[in-house]
Amino acid sequence: EAQVTQNPRYLITVTGKKLTVTCSQNMNHEYMSWYRQDPGLGLRQIYYSMNVEVTDKGDVPEGYKVSRKEKRNFPLILESPSPNQTSLYFCASSFLINTEAFFGQGTRLTVV
Amino acid sequence: AQSVTQLDSHVSVSEGTPVLLRCNYSSSYSPSLFWYVQHPNKGLQLLLKYTSAATLVKGINGFEAEFKKSETSFHLTKPSAHMSDAAEYFCVVTAQTGANNLFFGTGTRLTVIP
Repeated sequence: EAQVTQNPRYLITVTGKKLTVTCSQNMNHEYMSWYRQDPGLGLRQIYYSMNVEVTDKGDVPEGYKVSRKEKRNFPLILESPSPNQTSLYFCASSFLINTEAFFGQGTRLTVV
Repeated sequence: AQSVTQLDSHVSVSEGTPVLLRCNYSSSYSPSLFWYVQHPNKGLQLLLKYTSAATLVKGINGFEAEFKKSETSFHLTKPSAHMSDAAEYFCVVTAQTGANNLFFGTGTRLTVIP
């Protein structure tokens, strides 16, 4: 089954404790991206990747890092999480940069 | 530049009545447009997409949308609402050229009253 898998689905952590949210897709998609969803703001792009070893900032990259060492994986790294990064995070992939995106189930992160 | 405006943050309809969710877009290029649906505690699912073919686009679950270039609109409609349609809906625009990404509207929450 074609899918985007994120883990974990839920995470509660403390300020400053590094964490990684994993994302994997099995559709051989070139393009992957991370979004955060906050009430009243819709989804905002954090980072995106057009291919292996090619990543770039989206609209709200501050406080986040990503890597794309393999085509299927695109982890999101929070080196020092802060409470303002409490949000619902989605990973997405698509065949091309401007085609329909397939989304993971989301990761609800709470930073206390 | 691309942007999307969803004109209603919340729409409430009775079961069996028509649904209209409004979306206006702005795009420097010929746009691709999408509607996604998000059910509670779920990821986003593609409802339908417009990519410069037919202006009236049919999607899943009886939804359709009409691309109107002169009005820069892409409103989502359904003739008869079902309880299972209650969800949040996002209008999304992207460019067909250039290094761009998906631009999301702020969402419209649809409530269906029994």
